[in-house]
Amino acid sequence: DAGVIQSPRHEVTEMGQEVTLRCKPISGHDYLFWYRQTMMRGLELLIYFNNNVPIDDSGMPEDRFSAKMPNASFSTLKIQPSEPRDSAVYFCASSSIANTEAFFGQGTRLTVV
Amino acid sequence: AQSVTQLDSQVPVFEEAPVELRCNYSSSVSVYLFWYVQYPNQGLQLLLKYLSGSTLVESINGFEAEFNKSQTSFHLRKPSVHISDTAEYFCAVSGRGADGLTFGKGTHLIIQP
Repeated sequence: DAGVIQSPRHEVTEMGQEVTLRCKPISGHDYLFWYRQTMMRGLELLIYFNNNVPIDDSGMPEDRFSAKMPNASFSTLKIQPSEPRDSAVYFCASSSIANTEAFFGQGTRLTVV
Repeated sequence: AQSVTQLDSQVPVFEEAPVELRCNYSSSVSVYLFWYVQYPNQGLQLLLKYLSGSTLVESINGFEAEFNKSQTSFHLRKPSVHISDTAEYFCAVSGRGADGLTFGKGTHLIIQP
């Protein structure tokens, strides 16, 4: 398997624009996690899915953030409208069994100017 | 809920010297424990994990960690470091439900020649 695949690797956008980050989890994994990494706050869990259903979105910072998982092989994280403070590296991870091991993608480095 | 404290944000050490990266956690339930490594501009890779059984766990590249329940610690050690070990190391904990991994702030291991 190619591992967790995220796209794009880098995204630069202007404040107020919509941004969509994409993730393809490892085939057969039932859990998908979205994390955000910043210098100030470290790694934060934003939301996770089990069998395509959002289970816990308490880490999503604001209503400007939304995530979907329309099928077992694809998930998106959308920010609308984007703000400079959203600049961070966003990671997607998947696992086959709850909480035993998560496999991470390479991340998307988002810069909002 | 769980939390993780990595006591050192940065650890400089000379090549071939031993190193210990400290990790303490708090949880009201039984936990799984993990160490992940992040090389520059990369995603996180699992280094080792404790799920159950022997409290001493090892990685393929010479790292080891010991689960100490009484001290709520999971320190990472290596008897002799190499320049290629320079990276950010994250300790993580999860409860035995399905609530995702909680990460520490990370420790930057700097190997000096």
